[in-house]
Amino acid sequence: GAVVSQHPSRVICKSGTSVKIECRSLDFQATTMFWYRQFPKQSLMLMATSNEGSKATYEQGVEKDKFLINHASLTLSTLTVTSAHPEDSSFYICSVGITGTDTQYFGPGTRLTVL
Amino acid sequence: KQEVTQIPAALSVPEGENLVLNCSFTDSAIYNLQWFRQDPGKGLTSLLLIQSSQREQTSGRLNASLDKSSGRSTLYIAASQPGDSATYLCAVRRGGTASKLTFGTGTRLQVTL
Repeated sequence: GAVVSQHPSRVICKSGTSVKIECRSLDFQATTMFWYRQFPKQSLMLMATSNEGSKATYEQGVEKDKFLINHASLTLSTLTVTSAHPEDSSFYICSVGITGTDTQYFGPGTRLTVL
Repeated sequence: KQEVTQIPAALSVPEGENLVLNCSFTDSAIYNLQWFRQDPGKGLTSLLLIQSSQREQTSGRLNASLDKSSGRSTLYIAASQPGDSATYLCAVRRGGTASKLTFGTGTRLQVTL
């Protein structure tokens, strides 16, 4: 299967700062990437679908101005949490959809803690 | 709106037991269903994927079944081992690769010695 990396794996920041999380598809070109958020002991909730070269599609209730997504290349998508607050503390996971397959490959996740 | 529920939420069994995890979904118009494993603080590992036209898939000690019309899937784990301890998530997809996954609430499994 595809190998997906995320960077950083863990980040702690002060309230009000912005944090950028990278998601890379290491061995496949990913036309579609997905960003999920997972609160402690809860399931994954899709935040947005990112298509290379176009604007991301956000799920209902997700603020697009707060969670900026850029998918500038077929191997890289970034999620920027702007003006982060403690309630944004969560586990953020990206996944990659590979054309011609019926599955998604998930990154290892990024733990964000906002103080 | 698709809703996916998993029962039980948590399960603790002694090593060697066979066990069944349940997943139910409200909208039967799915493209496929997938079972994942998640270790604490880690990403997801795909275990089994069942297409909507299939009834079951097997991989080693794992067997997943799908009853699309009733909106149910089960994951059967045979001869459980402590290394099976993790959270198991089921997810359904409505369309092809580019369509989103809707995840269930998860079952936290602990297999004790």
